[in-house]
Amino acid sequence: AQTVTQSQPEMSVQEAETVTLSCTYDTSENNYYLFWYKQPPSRQMILVIRQEAYKQQNATENRFSVNFQKAAKSFSLKISDSQLGDTAMYFCAFMILGGSEKLVFGKGTKLTVNP
Amino acid sequence: DTGVSQDPRHKITKRGQNVTFRCDPISEHNRLYWYRQTLGQGPEFLTYFQNEAQLEKSRLLSDRFSAERPKGSFSTLEIQRTEQGDSAMYLCASSRTGTGDTEAFFGQGTRLTVV
Repeated sequence: AQTVTQSQPEMSVQEAETVTLSCTYDTSENNYYLFWYKQPPSRQMILVIRQEAYKQQNATENRFSVNFQKAAKSFSLKISDSQLGDTAMYFCAFMILGGSEKLVFGKGTKLTVNP
Repeated sequence: DTGVSQDPRHKITKRGQNVTFRCDPISEHNRLYWYRQTLGQGPEFLTYFQNEAQLEKSRLLSDRFSAERPKGSFSTLEIQRTEQGDSAMYLCASSRTGTGDTEAFFGQGTRLTVV
């Protein structure tokens, strides 16, 4: 079975500080992508960052970076210099290459950035 | 192009009624996905189209659910004889033919409440 586990239902962080959201996944496939999506309140889901499983180098997008540990099947998201606009649900997901390439999501982490 | 559009945004219906939702993907995207998101959960895959062909359906998609994508453009998701358990956010996403290197863009969703 292909599953994604996000063990932190809720987290909070002070503005300008750093926070790390955790994610583990389980798959027997070798060719896959990992994603973090952000879902602000009442707005659509948007992609935050993407990691190809075959790449050892961790992906970075401005204030967002990941720690990808393939052997441990771990994919955490670090948000630096947190901003009020980062308040949202964050979903970890993976996609198997080939076929439908549908996304398999975790249950999400609700992040609140406090002023 | 304004992104993935879903209509209606909200729908309240009585148990036993039929409902239909519409999704307009990004125009050059040939892949279209439907997901369902219940409270406190991440989105779960329902079905996938490549152009007009429905290529994969989740076992979550009972016989009361049907989806179409005539002409490979917009898609509709119909639920017949709605039940209270159908109450959820229904999300549509689109992408280009997969190399795994393309992002899935999501609509804002249709929130269904069955009373």
